[in-house]
Amino acid sequence: GENVEQHPSTLSVQEGDSAVIKCTYSDSASNYFPWYKQELGKGPQLIIDIRSNVGEKKDQRIAVTLNKTAKHFSLHITETQPEDSAVYFCAASFYNQGGKLIFGQGTELSVKP
Amino acid sequence: DSGVTQTPKHLITATGQRVTLRCSPRSGDLSVYWYQQSLDQGLQFLIQYYNGEERAKGNILERFSAQQFPDLHSELNLSSLELGDSALYFCASSVAGLLNEKLFFGSGTQLSVL
Repeated sequence: GENVEQHPSTLSVQEGDSAVIKCTYSDSASNYFPWYKQELGKGPQLIIDIRSNVGEKKDQRIAVTLNKTAKHFSLHITETQPEDSAVYFCAASFYNQGGKLIFGQGTELSVKP
Repeated sequence: DSGVTQTPKHLITATGQRVTLRCSPRSGDLSVYWYQQSLDQGLQFLIQYYNGEERAKGNILERFSAQQFPDLHSELNLSSLELGDSALYFCASSVAGLLNEKLFFGSGTQLSVL
């Protein structure tokens, strides 16, 4: 079946610390795993994505790692800032399901100044 | 700004009523997706259209229907509304609706059923 599980559901860090959010997916997931950031009152915004031909991708303070053997992928935010506070969603696409994405349940990240 | 436009931003209505939510995809995108976001269910996929044709269906209730018009905008119709239908409804678009494409989301319509 199609399933994406995300942990933790809430995460509180001090400004400047790192934050890590983890997701696991079911067998039928394909090779595309995006991450979205949702701020209050706004729609999900794509912040980074990874495909299975690479194990890690980095964009400034944000990085994503993928372990296809273990069926999990993670979002790493370094040097967190208060403006990183938001809800983060991982997602995966699934074979034979067109372009739709299945989302994890979300992680509410709070960065304390 | 993602380029996906949703109207209205807020909708307040009563149980038993019918509403229509509208979405215009990014310029050049042929596929539209509808998602429902509630506090306890996260982002749930409802339905996908590609160039006017239904491509995939998720957990969409029979009281709900959607369509994509020749100009590629889409409408989500919700009827016989219940209190539990109160949620944020998002539209997303992608170029061709194929596996592994990036999806871009609109700002959503907040539906409140009283």
